[in-house]
Amino acid sequence: AQRVTQPEKLLSVFKGAPVELKCNYSYSGSPELFWYVQYSRQRLQLLLRHISRESIKGFTADLNKGETSFHLKKPFAQEEDSAMYYCALSLGGGSEKLVFGKGTKLTVNP
Amino acid sequence: DGGITQSPKYLFRKEGQNVTLSCEQNLNHDAMYWYRQDPGQGLRLIYYSQIVNDFQKGDIAEGYSVSREKKESFPLTVTSAQKNPTAFYLCATSDRWSGNTIYFGEGSWLTVV
Repeated sequence: AQRVTQPEKLLSVFKGAPVELKCNYSYSGSPELFWYVQYSRQRLQLLLRHISRESIKGFTADLNKGETSFHLKKPFAQEEDSAMYYCALSLGGGSEKLVFGKGTKLTVNP
Repeated sequence: DGGITQSPKYLFRKEGQNVTLSCEQNLNHDAMYWYRQDPGQGLRLIYYSQIVNDFQKGDIAEGYSVSREKKESFPLTVTSAQKNPTAFYLCATSDRWSGNTIYFGEGSWLTVV
């Protein structure tokens, strides 16, 4: 069965410290992976997707098929990065359904 | 950033009553979705529709119903059969021309009293 696991419910770091939000997936096909972010009082929005291989707001994520992981990283966290982060898996092949992880709440302390 | 409008934002329902949550979009997207968000549970898919007059059950469809009579609209009815209806409900859309990116509405809070 398709599954996305985010092992940390809560993650707290200090401003300027590196941050890594972990995401592991279970899927036998060719996955498309996404990170979505929900800032306080804002709607859930796409942060980045693995196929675009871009850096958004200083965040990057690399798909590691061997380890079935898609960890989100940022070298220097900022207070405005505090938010709820969700990793999501699309089944691909034209399917637009997403399977979400349970989310990680990131708090960046001053 | 509009495009997806959910209403009402807050809704209270008495036990035993059905309630319908509205979702309207002007993005011209083919696919629409309903997710339920519970603390510590992430988002779980209730129903989705990839085209007008067609919809599919998601992972937690029991106690819910939907219709897709128009491309712009995908209302969700929470029936009295839903055992734990108190939750935050998110409507979303996507389109293959946007790279299958899913766009979310602002959500609707439903509380059963």
